[in-house]
Amino acid sequence: EVQLVHSGGGLVQPGGSLRLSCAASGFTFSAYWMTWVRQAPGKGLEWVANIKQDGSEKYYVDSVKGRFTISRDNANNSLYLQMNSLRAEDTAVYYCARVWWLQDPFDFWGQGTLVTVSS
Amino acid sequence: EIVLTQSPDFQSVTPKEKVTITCRANQSIGSSLHWYQQKPDQSPMLLIKYASQSISGVPSRFTGSGSGTDFTLTINSLEAEDAAAYYCHQSSSFPLTFGGGTKVEIK
Repeated sequence: EVQLVHSGGGLVQPGGSLRLSCAASGFTFSAYWMTWVRQAPGKGLEWVANIKQDGSEKYYVDSVKGRFTISRDNANNSLYLQMNSLRAEDTAVYYCARVWWLQDPFDFWGQGTLVTVSS
Repeated sequence: EIVLTQSPDFQSVTPKEKVTITCRANQSIGSSLHWYQQKPDQSPMLLIKYASQSISGVPSRFTGSGSGTDFTLTINSLEAEDAAAYYCHQSSSFPLTFGGGTKVEIK
């Protein structure tokens, strides 16, 4: 069974940092691109970042460039999102999802983790 | 940036009715358009890929059509379990973008 299990969300002050993790199982993690998508409370979906199978290519939405870093550890079947200089507008549920190739659809999503940026 | 405009924003529908949701791109994206369903308090789920390709395990009442700039998701004979938000998503170019969503309510 394919599983993507999140951890690392929580409450953080503006300007703070947080690292999200996503543990994959039930499929060959190293064969897939991976992505992060977020959803602000009561709002729609926003793509955040993609990473290639070997981590050699990364793409980000402009609003997080220079502040967020996507990474992965294929040995441990894990995806990460390091979030620095957090702002109130980063408050959202963050989902990791599986992507077969760079511009394929997101064919399986994790359950999401809530990040709240507030003082 | 490719902007996807979905309509309607909200639809209240009787069971067994047909539902049509449209997604319009501000420039041509070929067939690189995908549809997701998100039920309340759940993660999104892929419904249709590349405009019209079906996904294993998704009921056959969900179909997609279109290419270029205009796309449609059709739900034939709506069931109560189809109450959800539906989102289109383009993967033609970065940044990847989503439509604003369509909430379908069951009357």
